[in-house]
Amino acid sequence: QKEVEQDPGPLSVPEGAIVSLNCTYSNSAFQYFMWYRQYSRKGPELLMYTYSSGNKEDGRFTAQVDKSSKYISLFIRDSQPSDSATYLCAMSAFHSGAGSYQLTFGKGTKLSVIP
Amino acid sequence: KAGVTQTPRYLIKTRGQQVTLSCSPISGHRSVSWYQQTPGQGLQFLFEYFSETQRNKGNFPGRFSGRQFSNSRSEMNVSTLELGDSALYLCASSLNSEAFFGQGTRLTVV
Repeated sequence: QKEVEQDPGPLSVPEGAIVSLNCTYSNSAFQYFMWYRQYSRKGPELLMYTYSSGNKEDGRFTAQVDKSSKYISLFIRDSQPSDSATYLCAMSAFHSGAGSYQLTFGKGTKLSVIP
Repeated sequence: KAGVTQTPRYLIKTRGQQVTLSCSPISGHRSVSWYQQTPGQGLQFLFEYFSETQRNKGNFPGRFSGRQFSNSRSEMNVSTLELGDSALYLCASSLNSEAFFGQGTRLTVV
């Protein structure tokens, strides 16, 4: 079982729809949870960052973490064509041997928002 | 505030050659990590440098190496290139647990 599972899609939705993207994980040592957006031929851009169970909202984006179920979600309201990108979930755990946090990524979900 | 800068953006190399990629982190960030991104495997961790020392390493062969300079800039080197090394190589700089990525270097091995 992979540490982080993410449905690769592709996911295609009409403009204005609510988008739900999800990841599950198996490692209970993960402490921080992130969502990155990656446009074609670009590097990943940090979209949302959270460390506690519950919801965090930023504009049209809401990140949700459920540590008991080992499940995180990203919701996009009123989706726009400019939201078309690959969305990567990422989680970090502290490695005491290295003295640093290490990120583990999902494989990404490709989203297309159709005008 | 300038972001993470990676050079070059694109590279084409021949099997057996070696390549060096460069990364300048965000000012004040001392941790630099390198990742390989391929369609099949996604983002995979290569190694992390902090204050010129490698403090974490992923599961890649010894052909992949890196270093960090006193100004926190980092380079990664791949020797004896193989076709399977074709990928987007991403550098991320971190202050704490958040990582900020550069645009990547697209390496094609022919």
